[in-house]
Amino acid sequence: AQSVAQPEDQVNVAEGNPLTVKCTYSVSGNPYLFWYVQYPNRGLQFLLKYITGDNLVKGSYGFEAEFNKSQTSFHLKKPSALVSDSALYFCAVRDGGTGGFKTIFGAGTRLFVKA
Amino acid sequence: DADVTQTPRNRITKTGKRIMLECSQTKGHDRMYWYRQDPGLGLQLIYYSFDVKDINKGEISDGYSVSRQAQAKFSLSLESAIPNQTALYFCATSDPRWGELFFGEGSRLTVL
Repeated sequence: AQSVAQPEDQVNVAEGNPLTVKCTYSVSGNPYLFWYVQYPNRGLQFLLKYITGDNLVKGSYGFEAEFNKSQTSFHLKKPSALVSDSALYFCAVRDGGTGGFKTIFGAGTRLFVKA
Repeated sequence: DADVTQTPRNRITKTGKRIMLECSQTKGHDRMYWYRQDPGLGLQLIYYSFDVKDINKGEISDGYSVSRQAQAKFSLSLESAIPNQTALYFCATSDPRWGELFFGEGSRLTVL
């Protein structure tokens, strides 16, 4: 069965510092991995995805994520946080190996960037 | 204009009332979804549709029904609303290749 874990309910970081939001996953086939961001009173927006290839993927707003197959992790990172990055972040996984359609979401991590 | 549009954005209703949430999209995607978001639980899939003639139950379909009126329209109904259906509801479409989801702005439903 597919599952996603985001071990931190909240991450606090000072503006200008690097940030990491953690995610681990479990799928039976090849993982298709995604990060989404949700700003207050808005829908989720796609940030980036890993399908295959280079383990470091780059996405919108300066975010990147590193796929680590041995640790089954897909952590979201940004070298220098902005106050405007404060939002709720969701990691999600889809089982690409079986051609599955179903996307499973983590519970979300709230990022708070302090000026 | 938004690619995925949901109406209403906010609704307060009473227990036992029938409620319909509507969704329309201009992405041209065949696959559409309804999700429910509760604090601390992430998103849970209610129903999904791969085309107009294909409707499928998700993880938490009890108490809900859907209708796919056209490729671009997918509505969610609560036949008899109850308080524990108070939540934020999202409609989404998905990219046909890799499956990234495109969400509407959400419909916040409160059942008193």
